Amino acid sequence: DTAVSQTPKYLVTQMGNDKSIKCEQNLGHDTMYWYKQDSKKFLKIMFSYNNKELIINETVPNRFSPKSPDKAHLNLHINSLELGDSAVYFCASSPRDREGPPLHFGNGTRLTVT
Amino acid sequence: GQNIDQPTEMTATEGAIVQINCTYQTSGFNGLFWYQQHAGEAPTFLSYNVLDGLEEKGRFSSFLSRSKGYSYLLLKELQMKDSASYLCAVTGGSYIPTFGRGTSLIVHP
Repeated sequence: DTAVSQTPKYLVTQMGNDKSIKCEQNLGHDTMYWYKQDSKKFLKIMFSYNNKELIINETVPNRFSPKSPDKAHLNLHINSLELGDSAVYFCASSPRDREGPPLHFGNGTRLTVT
Repeated sequence: GQNIDQPTEMTATEGAIVQINCTYQTSGFNGLFWYQQHAGEAPTFLSYNVLDGLEEKGRFSSFLSRSKGYSYLLLKELQMKDSASYLCAVTGGSYIPTFGRGTSLIVHP
């Protein structure tokens, strides 16, 4: 009964490829997020999304795009992967964007681009 | 924008008390969180402060001073399993948590 689950856990791919990471939450939360954690453990917000609004961190390249088929899913699609995209990507959810989290995190996807 | 500062690394002895500080500058403030992250794992929620003062939860306590843009996480009776990164996060006007770089705590015997 995992609350926030993401797949795959590990992803190794070559530069230039397109890949997707899936995320699902069974908590009934309204808001989902994608964070990137670099090698120095710095967690940076990439996207915040609920059924009304997508908020994009302006520093995120447009090669990254979130896709939400329904309220329980927020997948991350990455085009033309680059070496610098190597990181751990965390999906998270929270009850409602105006009630203050806490965030519930998935276990992360370690992406390695070679 | 938001700027969050915390020490990069701290060491402490098993059984001792350690205080991890966090200072922040933000346009708008709604709340401050502390998360614990063990190596190779996801961050897990520890505490949430909205109002000034101390919130105590077992061995862990968190303090907030909004006027000073300052918080600390206090860990008592340290155990080896407390070795982890401790992340301070702030929500401003957008309600999206912004994280500091984290403090790596090493507890030794």
